[in-house]
Amino acid sequence: GENVEQHPSTLSVQEGDSAVIKCTYSDSASNYFPWYKQELGKGPQLIIDIRSNVGEKKDQRIAVTLNKTAKHFSLHITETQPEDSAVYFCAAKGSGGSNYKLTFGKGTLLTVNP
Amino acid sequence: NAGVTQTPKFRVLKTGQSMTLLCAQDMNHEYMYWYRQDPGMGLRLIHYSVGEGTTAKGEVPDGYNVSRLKKQNFLLGLESAAPSQTSVYFCASSRTSGSFGEQFFGPGTRLTVL
Repeated sequence: GENVEQHPSTLSVQEGDSAVIKCTYSDSASNYFPWYKQELGKGPQLIIDIRSNVGEKKDQRIAVTLNKTAKHFSLHITETQPEDSAVYFCAAKGSGGSNYKLTFGKGTLLTVNP
Repeated sequence: NAGVTQTPKFRVLKTGQSMTLLCAQDMNHEYMYWYRQDPGMGLRLIHYSVGEGTTAKGEVPDGYNVSRLKKQNFLLGLESAAPSQTSVYFCASSRTSGSFGEQFFGPGTRLTVL
């Protein structure tokens, strides 16, 4: 089955700096890659996603890039703010009969210091 | 729209006790999922359902049972709780079965088994 690796597990940045979180996946047939943000005491919330036919997608201060050849995708947050502090999860959607199931990375705790 | 709701929010059980977690969604989604979240482990799929009356095993199904008698509800049962089932449980739902389909998460249930 699909395996998703996420790095780093913790990331601390100064307010205004950029943050980058990277994920790799194992199933070359995976075709959907969402990123979720989880604030303390809450459920994960989708912040951005990318399909396999797109190399990059941007939404204000966040962007995601996908390299299908290398089987990795990354989340980029620019001009970080204290409210960006949270746990971020990447995920990949499987193919074939399991094409509705997400496999998650283990998460990255992002801390933005004022 | 309430989205995905979960009851209860917190629960403490003794080893061997049983309980049922309730998930409800008002988005008319076909697909529903139960995950558990443990420190450093990300989100792991316990069971899922692709429609009313159907259920299937996920990555870590042992010790749990589920039922989907109504489209809007997905129940997770623990027949004989064990300390290893101490975790935060999240329910999610999604609309489509195709390549894409955002999963919407509930706020979680924190379960402690003593």
